[in-house]
Amino acid sequence: EVQLVESGGGLVQPGGSLRLSCAASGFTFSSYEMNWVRQAPGKGLEWVSYISSSGSTIYYADSVKGRFTISRDNAKNSLYLQMNSLRAEDTAVYYCARVGRGYSYEFDYWGQGTLVTVSS
Amino acid sequence: SYVLTQPPSVSVAPGQTARITCGGNNIGSKSVHWYQQKPGQAPVLVVYDDSDRPSGIPERFSGSNSGNTATLTISRVEAGDEADYYCQVWDSSSDRPGVFGGGTKLTVL
Repeated sequence: EVQLVESGGGLVQPGGSLRLSCAASGFTFSSYEMNWVRQAPGKGLEWVSYISSSGSTIYYADSVKGRFTISRDNAKNSLYLQMNSLRAEDTAVYYCARVGRGYSYEFDYWGQGTLVTVSS
Repeated sequence: SYVLTQPPSVSVAPGQTARITCGGNNIGSKSVHWYQQKPGQAPVLVVYDDSDRPSGIPERFSGSNSGNTATLTISRVEAGDEADYYCQVWDSSSDRPGVFGGGTKLTVL
């Protein structure tokens, strides 16, 4: 059974940092591309970042570029999101999502999410 | 960057057919995916590549895509279908390729 479990969320002050983790199991993690997607309270889904299976290709949304860093450790079956210079508008539930095996980048499995609250 | 436009809300009576649209410039040339999200839960993929269904998704869920509009169709709507629905594409020509529509709240009357 495919499982994605996020952790690392919490309350952080504006300007602070946080590192999110996503532990993957039930599939060959090193063969799959991954994403982070977030959802602000009461709002829609917002794509945040993408990383290829090897980690060699990375993309970011404009809203987080230069502040967030996506990475992965295939030996540990884990995906990460390092978030620096956090702002109130980064407050959201953060989901990790796996890219399916097709070629059109559907997100076929999602974690349950971890809440990040940026507030003083 | 590529923009997807969805109506904020759609209402339908039980047993009827719900249609949720997703507009984008020449979206018919892209593969469109649809997600269902119920309150407090993670999104679930219900249609991918315009019209394919993942294992376990009822045949009542179908999709189409042509021109500037993609459509998610839910036949014989049930109370349990009430949820938010999001369309998504991957804009490979962009360095910010992940794109979601704003979401549509489906209300079952």
